[in-house]
Amino acid sequence: AQKVTQAQTEISVVEKEDVTLDCVYETRDTTYYLFWYKQPPSGELVFLIRRNSFDEQNEISGRYSWNFQKSTSSFNFTITASQVVDSAVYFCALSEAWGSQGNLIFGKGTKLSVKP
Amino acid sequence: NAGVTQTPKFQVLKTGQSMTLQCAQDMNHEYMSWYRQDPGMGLRLIHYSVGAGITDQGEVPNGYNVSRSTTEDFPLRLLSAAPSQTSVYFCASSPDRGQGGYTFGSGTRLTVV
Repeated sequence: AQKVTQAQTEISVVEKEDVTLDCVYETRDTTYYLFWYKQPPSGELVFLIRRNSFDEQNEISGRYSWNFQKSTSSFNFTITASQVVDSAVYFCALSEAWGSQGNLIFGKGTKLSVKP
Repeated sequence: NAGVTQTPKFQVLKTGQSMTLQCAQDMNHEYMSWYRQDPGMGLRLIHYSVGAGITDQGEVPNGYNVSRSTTEDFPLRLLSAAPSQTSVYFCASSPDRGQGGYTFGSGTRLTVV
């Protein structure tokens, strides 16, 4: 069955530290999509990135980077030089072309606290 | 372009009351879905729709009803509210079975007392 595991429930770092949020997924589909969403204290869900199963290239966007490894079924998210504004709950999610009918399967989230 | 609009933002219900959470999108997306978010549980799928007139159950459908009479609207009905339905509800839409990503509404915080 499809599943997304975010083993880190809460992480606390000091500003300017680098931090990596782990995401491990399970799927039987060969075509699937992986997502990261940010949920700041205000509560809305902010889309960060989408990756399809055929594209294992790592991606960097400013201080954010993502490492997709199909061999370990992982899609980890790294924030470099963290800032207080990065404090939020981060969700990893999986969408399968067939198994989940395209719907999102979310991990339970990792709460990141960045202290000044 | 408003995206996905959810109303109300906050609601308090008494046990046994019924109500409808509204969701509307103006992007002509075929796929719409409802999720609930509970502490430590992530977001779980309640119901979804692949187009007007077609709906299906997600992971936690009990106590909820949906319909999709138009492409734009996908209301979620609580038939007889229970304290276990206290949660934050998110509506989302996608143009293409999730491949292009989902756009989420801002959420409805529901408390059932």
